[in-house]
Amino acid sequence: EVVLTQSPGTLSLSPGERATLSCRASQSVYSSFLGWYQQKPGQAPRLLIYGASSRATGIPDRFSGSGSGTDFTLTISRLEPEDFAVYYCHQYHYSPFTFGRGTRVDIK
Amino acid sequence: EVQLVESGGGLVQPGGSLRLSCAASGFTFSSYEMNWVRQAPGMGLEWVSYIRRSDNTIYYADSVKGRFTISTDDAKNLLFLQMNSLRAEDTAVYYCTRDPSGPVTHDYWGQGTLVTVSS
Repeated sequence: EVVLTQSPGTLSLSPGERATLSCRASQSVYSSFLGWYQQKPGQAPRLLIYGASSRATGIPDRFSGSGSGTDFTLTISRLEPEDFAVYYCHQYHYSPFTFGRGTRVDIK
Repeated sequence: EVQLVESGGGLVQPGGSLRLSCAASGFTFSSYEMNWVRQAPGMGLEWVSYIRRSDNTIYYADSVKGRFTISTDDAKNLLFLQMNSLRAEDTAVYYCTRDPSGPVTHDYWGQGTLVTVSS
C-alpha cells in the first residue's frame, strides 16, 4: 500500500499569505494519478487538482500543484477567506488507492 | 447538472448488513468509473472501492475486502455498496464519487450517507 504523508498537519496563516502543503509518497507515484481535494466542515470534498498539476473545472488560478515521483506540493498563492479548510492528497495509481491524512489550513 | 445522491445509511448492529445506493443523474452513467469513499467521524478520507465498467475491473480497500461488494444497475443509473459483517470501525459517512477515467478522479461527490455500526 502506498502511504501518503502530508505535512504540516496544521498550517496557521493569515488571509493574503502563501500556503505550501506537502504530500510525500512511500513509493514513486505516476504523477498523472495524484490529486488534491479541499473539504470544508459539513461538506463533501471538492476536487482541486488532478494529474498533480492540472486545475479542475472552476478552480481559481491561485491554486497550483506540482511535483513528481514521491514529492508533491499544493500551493495557494494568496489565501482568501474561503480557502481555510482541510486539504487531502490522493494517489490512484496503485490499488488500494490511498489518501493522505490531511493538512488543516487555519486562520492565524 | 451532474448529481449523485446516496441513500441507505442508518444504524446497524455489529455483524449486520446494509446496502447503500447512489442515484446518478446528469451524465451517461454507464460510461463512467465509480467509487465509494468513506469518512469516519472527525477523521480523514478513506477510499473504499472502485468499479470500471469497460472491463469489469473492481478494487477494494484491504479493510473491506471480502465483506463489501460494489455493483451497478446501469438501466437505473444506480451504484450500490453491499456491506456485510459490519464492524464498529465501518462507522462513517459514505460518499459515492464519479471518475471520468484518465487522470481525473472523484470529480463529483454525493452529499454522503451516514452508517453507524453499534449495539
